[in-house]
Amino acid sequence: KNQVEQSPQSLIILEGKNCTLQCNYTVSPFSNLRWYKQDTGRGPVSLTIMTFSENTKSNGRYTATLDADTKQSSLHITASQLSDSASYICVVSATRNNDMRFGAGTRLTVKP
Amino acid sequence: ETGVTQSPTHLIKTRGQQVTLRCSSQSGHNTVSWYQQALGQGPQFIFQYYREEENGRGNFPPRFSGLQFPNYSSELNVNALELDDSALYLCASSLSAGDGYTFGSGTRLTVV
Repeated sequence: KNQVEQSPQSLIILEGKNCTLQCNYTVSPFSNLRWYKQDTGRGPVSLTIMTFSENTKSNGRYTATLDADTKQSSLHITASQLSDSASYICVVSATRNNDMRFGAGTRLTVKP
Repeated sequence: ETGVTQSPTHLIKTRGQQVTLRCSSQSGHNTVSWYQQALGQGPQFIFQYYREEENGRGNFPPRFSGLQFPNYSSELNVNALELDDSALYLCASSLSAGDGYTFGSGTRLTVV
């Protein structure tokens, strides 16, 4: 069973709308959580990184939240643009081994 | 500063052959990690190198091997290629294990 589960698997929204992507994890002991944006056929690009003590972090139109008690994170995208169409991957690192566990990603499509 | 560069970008090999993929890490980064990403899936950790030594390995067979050079560039070697090895291979570098990662654009390997 994957230790990082993302939902939904795919999402289609209209340009200008907001959306929220979810990430649940069981990785322990927790070190940090990252959200990456990955365009098709490209490497992931970091959006945010949060440690245990951080609840929210913003990067432009992207806002990530973290609830370390429930082991949940969300990525909120406001005023979506066509260029936001990509896969969004949640990555959780454990303090042991520095191993990063990747979610399968949410495939977001923004339509005009 | 240059980012992470991978070569080649695309590659087609025949089952049973051997392949070498290359990665030049971002300037100043001494840690390199390799990932295998199947279509529609999140990346799976293959192994990590820190200052020329293997520093962690995922659940991949021994025919997946690696190397890191004194300039911190790295190679991923795969022997006896199988059809299921077809994937996007990503390289990521960081200042140290567990630090923020910068990903390359990947090498798309197709095994026929």
